[in-house]
Amino acid sequence: ETGVTQSPTHLIKTRGQQVTLRCSSQSGHNTVSWYQQALGQGPQFIFQYYREEENGRGNFPPRFSGLQFPNYSSELNVNALELDDSALYLCASSLVQGAMGYTFGSGTRLTVV
Amino acid sequence: RKEVEQDPGPFNVPEGATVAFNCTYSNSASQSFFWYRQDCRKEPKLLMSVYSSGNEDGRFTAQLNRASQYISLLIRDSKLSDSATYLCVVTASSSGNTPLVFGKGTRLSVIA
Repeated sequence: ETGVTQSPTHLIKTRGQQVTLRCSSQSGHNTVSWYQQALGQGPQFIFQYYREEENGRGNFPPRFSGLQFPNYSSELNVNALELDDSALYLCASSLVQGAMGYTFGSGTRLTVV
Repeated sequence: RKEVEQDPGPFNVPEGATVAFNCTYSNSASQSFFWYRQDCRKEPKLLMSVYSSGNEDGRFTAQLNRASQYISLLIRDSKLSDSATYLCVVTASSSGNTPLVFGKGTRLSVIA
């Protein structure tokens, strides 16, 4: 059974640029959630995808967008990067039905300069 | 008021000590409760779920008080390897389609 994999592991971008982060969900998991963790903070929910549709969103502006593909993998896109977007971006996969179980990927550390 | 509040610490304790972390949550509709452990620059990993009846896993004991909206984690006989940040987490549903709401975490350092 493979876990959640994220790519890239580290990334440096310039303010104003756009970035795409990728996540492959754990085998059998059909839901993907994205979280942003700034330094010294707990992870904050960005949004969740189920069956290729966004079905929940946290308090993040529209320049944070995402996709889920038929194989349940997902992308997080951030446009017009700001310095405050520097953070660890975590992807978690889960099953909608059944027992609670979120599996986190090791994250992408984004630095905006 | 934040949805989940924790004392950020750090808690610096000697090996073998007992340490307790507390957490409060503001959403009375919360249904599921967890403690996650996060090592430095790593992803959070589930430590244990928390039930009203209390639950124990080896040296770790978790307790939930729904009336007070309060969650606790007790670590007995601390080991150096317990050094990490402990995140209190709540969610509004027992299924996997509601977001996890994290506290800021409590940092623990166990010292030899």
